[in-house]
Amino acid sequence: NAGVMQNPRHLVRRRGQEARLRCSPMKGHSHVYWYRQLPEEGLKFMVYLQKENIIDESGMPKERFSAEFPKEGPSILRIQQVVRGDSAAYFCASSNLAGGYEQYFGPGTRLTVT
Amino acid sequence: GQQVMQIPQYQHVQEGEDFTTYCNSSTTLSNIQWYKQRPGGHPVFLIQLVKSGEVKKQKRLTFQFGEAKKNSSLHITATQTTDVGTYFCAGEIPGANSKLTFGKGITLSVRP
Repeated sequence: NAGVMQNPRHLVRRRGQEARLRCSPMKGHSHVYWYRQLPEEGLKFMVYLQKENIIDESGMPKERFSAEFPKEGPSILRIQQVVRGDSAAYFCASSNLAGGYEQYFGPGTRLTVT
Repeated sequence: GQQVMQIPQYQHVQEGEDFTTYCNSSTTLSNIQWYKQRPGGHPVFLIQLVKSGEVKKQKRLTFQFGEAKKNSSLHITATQTTDVGTYFCAGEIPGANSKLTFGKGITLSVRP
């Protein structure tokens, strides 16, 4: 049973470009969470999605950031017009039920903006 | 603002010593989870506590949930070098759409 997959593992973008981060949850999981982690910082919640629905995007900046989890295919976190401050590790996690269930994390995407 | 607190952020111990760290929430939690992240790795689920006063053990690790469900502790007996990493607590706040609020974590280093 494959775990949570994220790609790419490393992504380098110049300022102003777009970054697309992909997350395939564990098989059978329909809940996906995206987190951002800065060096020596904790995990900051960004967005929680179920298939075709955004449940909670309270942690995601309103501008330049968007997320989706289509009926078919991986969840996508999209960052438009990246700036240096977007450089971070982005982790996605999945769970098979909502509320009070362990989350399985992917290996993360390390985004570097030059 | 930050509602789940872990202080300090770093702790260094000698191999074989015991280690205890605490997690405090400003609000009552539905449940609390602990995760471990090795350097360069991703968070891995360790345990979930749900009931007031609950205590769970995993080999040398003991986890406790406070009576008021606002704090938790992790105790490691006789630390080993394999215990190195960052330990995060994460609380589910009632009414918060089932999302977890993570503390900043405590990074444990173990001197052999």
